[in-house]
Amino acid sequence: GENVEQHPSTLSVQEGDSAVIKCTYSDSASNYFPWYKQELGKGPQLIIDIRSNVGEKKDQRIAVTLNKTAKHFSLHITETQPEDSAVYFCAASMSNAGGTSYGKLTFGQGTILTVHP
Amino acid sequence: EAGVAQSPRYKIIEKRQSVAFWCNPISGHATLYWYQQILGQGPKLLIQFQNNGVVDDSQLPKDRFSAERLKGVDSTLKIQPAKLEDSAVYLCASSFNPRRRGRQETQYFGPGTRLLVL
Repeated sequence: GENVEQHPSTLSVQEGDSAVIKCTYSDSASNYFPWYKQELGKGPQLIIDIRSNVGEKKDQRIAVTLNKTAKHFSLHITETQPEDSAVYFCAASMSNAGGTSYGKLTFGQGTILTVHP
Repeated sequence: EAGVAQSPRYKIIEKRQSVAFWCNPISGHATLYWYQQILGQGPKLLIQFQNNGVVDDSQLPKDRFSAERLKGVDSTLKIQPAKLEDSAVYLCASSFNPRRRGRQETQYFGPGTRLLVL
């Protein structure tokens, strides 16, 4: 099955700095890579996702890059703010045309991001 | 648009007792997922429903866990009997209909039920 490794496990930055979280996956058939933010006591919330036909995607201060050859993808947060402090999870999933493998997300272990004012 | 609803939010039981969790997905979402999130780890899929049918339950410990989605809307997840290692957050998620659209769809998560087994 798919295996997703996420690094670092904790990340501490100063407000205004950039933060980068990296993930690697094992199954070359994976083609959908979402990133979730989880605040204390809440469920994960999607912040950005990327599909395998795209190398990079941006949404304001957040960007995700994907390297299919190396099987890794990264989350970039620029101009960090204290409200960005949370646990971030990467995930991978695969779907094959006409197949049944839709939906199952394999998550990384999570990164605790702390942004100091 | 209302989000995924789960209840109860917290539950404390003793080992060997039974417990049930309830989930109401976003209206119109055909696919429903139950995940187990152990402290300090990412969520792990337990079971996936498409309408009222099971798509994937390969990681569900079937000797003690069961789940149903009888009318294709609400779902319940049951543990009987509970073990200490079942202490975790149980997350329910839903998505529109990835099978029908032929691609992955965003999964929306509920707030989770925090279970502590003593």
